[in-house]
Amino acid sequence: GAVVSQHPSWVICKSGTSVKIECRSLDFQATTMFWYRQFPKQSLMLMATSNEGSKATYEQGVEKDKFLINHASLTLSTLTVTSAHPEDSSFYICSARDTGLSNQPQHFGDGTRLSIL
Amino acid sequence: SQQGEEDPQALSIQEGENATMNCSYKTSINNLQWYRQNSGRGLVHLILIRSNEREKHSGRLRVTLDTSKKSSSLLITASRAADTASYFCATGGDYKLSFGAGTTVTVRA
Repeated sequence: GAVVSQHPSWVICKSGTSVKIECRSLDFQATTMFWYRQFPKQSLMLMATSNEGSKATYEQGVEKDKFLINHASLTLSTLTVTSAHPEDSSFYICSARDTGLSNQPQHFGDGTRLSIL
Repeated sequence: SQQGEEDPQALSIQEGENATMNCSYKTSINNLQWYRQNSGRGLVHLILIRSNEREKHSGRLRVTLDTSKKSSSLLITASRAADTASYFCATGGDYKLSFGAGTTVTVRA
């Protein structure tokens, strides 16, 4: 079945560091990928929609200069948390859907646990 | 933004019992999806039910959809300890998904 690989699975770093998270669709192409943030015991909140070859679409309240998204190919999107601070600590999850199919579920990566000290 | 509500927020059952959770949504849909999330992991897709379907089965899972009431339910029969997880409904069709608040299910051995 369709697989989405997300890397790294966890990151611990100092305040002020920039962190890059990768999301890859392994056996399908995805012109669109999605980035979510999840706080403990809460649901997923969509941060942005990553569009291959064009700018990402950010949800209201999400700082585009803080969360840089690049979708350079049909199988890879990256999220960079720039100058991360403790309040950016969270669980980040990406998802993708096979572009060639309609009415199909999204496939999720295993998430990245980000802890900023 | 959150699409709707799920209830109950938490459910604790004995192994072998059935678990039922409900999801309500606000807008018209093309399909509704149910996902499972084990602690600290990503989401696993369980079932997608289209707007013209009323019921769907997959193994021990049964999903119903009532578009007139804008609601769906997920039934897990003969639960197992491995079913312990959070369950989310999501709507959005082929575009971005909106998730319910989720139901945390604990299956006691």
